[in-house]
Amino acid sequence: AQSVAQPEDQVNVAEGNPLTVKCTYSVSGNPYLFWYVQYPNRGLQFLLKYITGDNLVKGSYGFEAEFNKSQTSFHLKKPSALVSDSALYFCAVGGSARQLTFGSGTQLTVLP
Amino acid sequence: GAGVSQSPSNKVTEKGKDVELRCDPISGHTALYWYRQSLGQGLEFLIYFQGNSAPDKSGLPSDRFSAERTGGSVSTLTIQRTQQEDSAVYLCASSSLRTANTEAFFGQGTRLTVV
Repeated sequence: AQSVAQPEDQVNVAEGNPLTVKCTYSVSGNPYLFWYVQYPNRGLQFLLKYITGDNLVKGSYGFEAEFNKSQTSFHLKKPSALVSDSALYFCAVGGSARQLTFGSGTQLTVLP
Repeated sequence: GAGVSQSPSNKVTEKGKDVELRCDPISGHTALYWYRQSLGQGLEFLIYFQGNSAPDKSGLPSDRFSAERTGGSVSTLTIQRTQQEDSAVYLCASSSLRTANTEAFFGQGTRLTVV
């Protein structure tokens, strides 16, 4: 069975500082990894994905994520956080099971 | 349509009643997912449809839950004899390809409250 872990329920960072939201996964075969963001009272929006190729993936709004096969991680990063980045972030994995499995989410708060 | 559409956006129902939640996926998308998001929780997979294949129902929490997808497009999630623990936001998503490496597009969700 595939699974995703987001070890931090809450991440706080000051505006302008770099941010990292952690994600580890477990899946048989090659993983397909995704990050989604959910703003208050809105649906989930796709940020970026890793399928194959370069381990560093760039996505929307200046976010990027690094795939690390040996550590089975796919941490989300941004060099300089904005207050508007405050939202709920979900990591997800797809694999041999066709459906996406989501993590429990991490609430990111960027402080002005 | 331009995106995934779900209706109703909000539903309040009495315990024991049946409810139907509707999802209109993006036109041409063959894959359709239902997830449940409880307050403060992550997304719980419920069911997955892919084209004409048999749906993956492995996430349905009980036999009170069922879903169908008519004509490979619109889907309806039905909850019979609702209970208070069914209160959650029910999210529908669709994607375009037959493989798991394609991102899913989500609707705004239906907020179900069982009183």
